Amino acid sequence: EAAVTQSPRNKVAVTGGKVTLSCNQTNNHNNMYWYRQDTGHGLRLIHYSYGAGSTEKGDIPDGYKASRPSQENFSLILELATPSQTSVYFCASGVTGNSDYTFGSGTRLLVI
Amino acid sequence: QQKVQQSPESLSVPEGGMASLNCTSSDRNFQYFWWYRQHSGEGPKALMSIFSDGDKKEGRFTAHLNKASLHVSLHIRDSQPSDSALYFCAASSSNNRIFFGDGTQLVVKP
Repeated sequence: EAAVTQSPRNKVAVTGGKVTLSCNQTNNHNNMYWYRQDTGHGLRLIHYSYGAGSTEKGDIPDGYKASRPSQENFSLILELATPSQTSVYFCASGVTGNSDYTFGSGTRLLVI
Repeated sequence: QQKVQQSPESLSVPEGGMASLNCTSSDRNFQYFWWYRQHSGEGPKALMSIFSDGDKKEGRFTAHLNKASLHVSLHIRDSQPSDSALYFCAASSSNNRIFFGDGTQLVVKP
């Protein structure tokens, strides 16, 4: 079954440390997305990608980098984590036009 | 400005009742609309799509789209406790990303 798998499911990081969140999809979708979800803000788009080697800035890219080394994998990188980046992060895959996105189960990140 | 606005922010209905969720978009280029549902601790899942004016029914769920007013609604009849979740309205235009609203939290009380 096609799926989006995120790892880790939970992560505790220290302020100033580097954090990498990973996402793998077996949907063969060209596009992949990273969102964060905070109470009262819904889903906010951080970075997205149209294919291997490409990354684009979303609506709230500051403090985050992204990497898309292959069709299947898309990583979100926090080079210097801050407590304000404590959140739940979701990865999704999809195609443009009239198709919906498939979301992963999320990564809960706590920065202390 | 948020491209997709949802109301109400939260909604409580009794088991067996009707839940009605609303969504308005501000971009007249939007052609495709979805409702997503997110249960606690899970990722959002696409519930149903609607691309044409009028009603689309899937079981207990009915979506309604009025492209002229850019208004989409979702009606859940015979609501069940398992319908309790966060519901997102989403919209996109051709060859573009999907934009999400901030969600409506639905609670169905037994």
